[in-house]
Amino acid sequence: QKEVEQNSGPLSVPEGAIASLNCTYSDRVSQSFFWYRQYSGKSPELIMSIYSNGDKEDGRFTAQLNKASQYVSLLIRDSQPSDSATYLCAVITGNQFYFGTGTSLTVIP
Amino acid sequence: DTGVSQDPRHKITKRGQNVTFRCDPISEHNRLYWYRQTLGQGPEFLTYFQNEAQLEKSRLLSDRFSAERPKGSFSTLEIQRTEQGDSAMYLCASSAGTVEAFFGQGTRLTVV
Repeated sequence: QKEVEQNSGPLSVPEGAIASLNCTYSDRVSQSFFWYRQYSGKSPELIMSIYSNGDKEDGRFTAQLNKASQYVSLLIRDSQPSDSATYLCAVITGNQFYFGTGTSLTVIP
Repeated sequence: DTGVSQDPRHKITKRGQNVTFRCDPISEHNRLYWYRQTLGQGPEFLTYFQNEAQLEKSRLLSDRFSAERPKGSFSTLEIQRTEQGDSAMYLCASSAGTVEAFFGQGTRLTVV
C-alpha cells in the first residue's frame, strides 16, 4: 500500500467553481500534511500546510484534515485558469516526506 | 533571493558518464532532501540530511548514486555511469525540521 494516495484525475472545473482535491494516507502516526502545486515542467510550490484536525483557510484555499479517517483535502474556491496545475499531497511520517502522485486540475474559462 | 538554489538547471549527458548536481538550501534550514521525479509521478524520495549527517537513503537507490553535505551547508548528488533510466527531474528541498519543505527549481537530466 502506498503511503499517500490521490486520484490522478484529470479533474476539470469551470472558472469560478469550487475544486475539491482529496488525499488519503496510510500511517496513523503521520503528523504533518501539505499541499503543493506543480505547474508542468516546474518544481513543486508549497501552498498549504495543516497539522491539526479541522479546516485551515488561506485566501481561496482551504485545507481539511481528518486524522481519524486519515484523509486530507484541499478546496479551491473561485477557481481561476491560473489554478490549472498538478496538486501534490505530502505527508511527513517519521523523518520523511511522502508524496502522492498528484491530481491534475484544469480550470476551464 | 534566499530560496533553495539548484545547479545546473539542465544537464544532457551521454550514457556511462558521471554527473554531479549541487543544491544550496535556505540558509537556516538544517534538513535537506533529494527527490527524483519522472513524468506523471510524484517526487520519489532519494535521501535526506540533517545538518551534515545523511540519515536515510532510499532502498531503491543504486550504488551509482551518492550524496554529500559537507559542513551541513550545500549538498551534491552524484550519479556514476549514467543510464537512460536515470533521465528525470532531480529535486532538492530544505526544511527547518519536520515542517514545510521548500523546493529548488530542479535539475532536469537527460541521458542520451
